[in-house]
Amino acid sequence: EAGVVQSPRYKIIEKKQPVAFWCNPISGHNTLYWYLQNLGQGPELLIRYENEEAVDDSQLPKDRFSAERLKGVDSTLKIQPAELGDSAVYLCASSPTVTGELFFGEGSRLTVL
Amino acid sequence: AQSVTQLDSQVPVFEEAPVELRCNYSSSVSVYLFWYVQYPNQGLQLLLKYLSGSTLVKGINGFEAEFNKSQTSFHLRKPSVHISDTAEYFCAVRRYSGAGSYQLTFGKGTKLSVIP
Repeated sequence: EAGVVQSPRYKIIEKKQPVAFWCNPISGHNTLYWYLQNLGQGPELLIRYENEEAVDDSQLPKDRFSAERLKGVDSTLKIQPAELGDSAVYLCASSPTVTGELFFGEGSRLTVL
Repeated sequence: AQSVTQLDSQVPVFEEAPVELRCNYSSSVSVYLFWYVQYPNQGLQLLLKYLSGSTLVKGINGFEAEFNKSQTSFHLRKPSVHISDTAEYFCAVRRYSGAGSYQLTFGKGTKLSVIP
């Protein structure tokens, strides 16, 4: 069974440029998470989806970050414009239910120059 | 408020020696506890979890952890480490936050380095 797939694995951009990350969760998993992991830190939740509905986006910086999960399957996280402080790893995770185990993708490492 | 404290940011240990990675949490309500492992340039993988029942939990790769409610701790242990255990380990706490939502909070991680 395929795990959580994320792309791109690595992205280098200049500040003020836009960037997008894509995540395909495990088939049948209704709950999808986007986490931010700064260097030397644990993951921090950005947004959680139940099917196509964003049920917890309180930590998402909405002035520059946006996310969507239009058909309740794969999801896209966008940053526009990117800032130097956005350099981090963006992790996607999915779980079969809101109380189920989280399965993580390998992450997308963003470097903003 | 809820927090997770991993007391050691880095732990070096010789191969085949025992290791303990410490985790303390603060919460006024019942919690579920987890340990995840992250190998270089990879995502997080669940090692073990405590939901209820026996306070001693066994996980993958020979790791185990003990839930101590009175000390609000969930320390991770392995009696004999291998080179392949070199990775970063994250303790996480999940608690019910109301309206059908659960909040999962991670510690800052402990880097385990196994020395040949």
